[in-house]
Amino acid sequence: DIQMTQSPSSLSASVGDRITITCRASQSISRYLNWYQQKPGEGPELLIYTASYLQSGVPSRFSGSGSGTDFTLTISNLQPEDFATYFCQQTYGSPYNFGQGTKLDIK
Amino acid sequence: QVTLRESGPALVKPTQTLTLTCTFSGFSLSTSDMCVSWIRQPPGKALEWLARIDWDDDKYYSASLKTRLTISKDTSKDQVVLTMTNMDLVDTGTYYCARTLASNWKFDHWGQGARVTVSS
Repeated sequence: DIQMTQSPSSLSASVGDRITITCRASQSISRYLNWYQQKPGEGPELLIYTASYLQSGVPSRFSGSGSGTDFTLTISNLQPEDFATYFCQQTYGSPYNFGQGTKLDIK
Repeated sequence: QVTLRESGPALVKPTQTLTLTCTFSGFSLSTSDMCVSWIRQPPGKALEWLARIDWDDDKYYSASLKTRLTISKDTSKDQVVLTMTNMDLVDTGTYYCARTLASNWKFDHWGQGARVTVSS
């Protein structure tokens, strides 16, 4: 199985900050990597697919990059509604494992 | 507008079979590229992909749970059903269904989730 490791597991930031979350795969997954945002009591929301493509309706302050084993999610100019938990997911091969999550809260 | 909603029992006993239904709207599971996946999340833990069913009735399962899972669809009712046999305490969690596009494995719309507790 391909293991996905996110860092950090938690992060404190302020409105207007720029933050980066990292996701590392245990083997190369090309660009088969999605990013999701999850708020308490809600289902996840797709932000980025295939490493760097912005899902329709998602603000442009969200961006993704990477290939192979190392990927990043960057959020520029943090807004109050961005404080949530973020997950990466590999879609290279079954089982389509997720990272353990990064909780972003207000400093 | 695409929506999905999970339904099923909130409480099951160990060894029982769990049956969850995903009722969706805004797309048809008979349309090429359309799929529905099930994903679960134990309390405070990571998401875990369980199974997927495609528009052409192809089915995919997590290898670790394959012997316990069955996924099926009723296209006329816009529903997907997941059964999980021999439930255990470690199966407690929130179960989600999500529309999935086969061409790029986008899980682009999710339900709000169904909480399932396994307890005697």
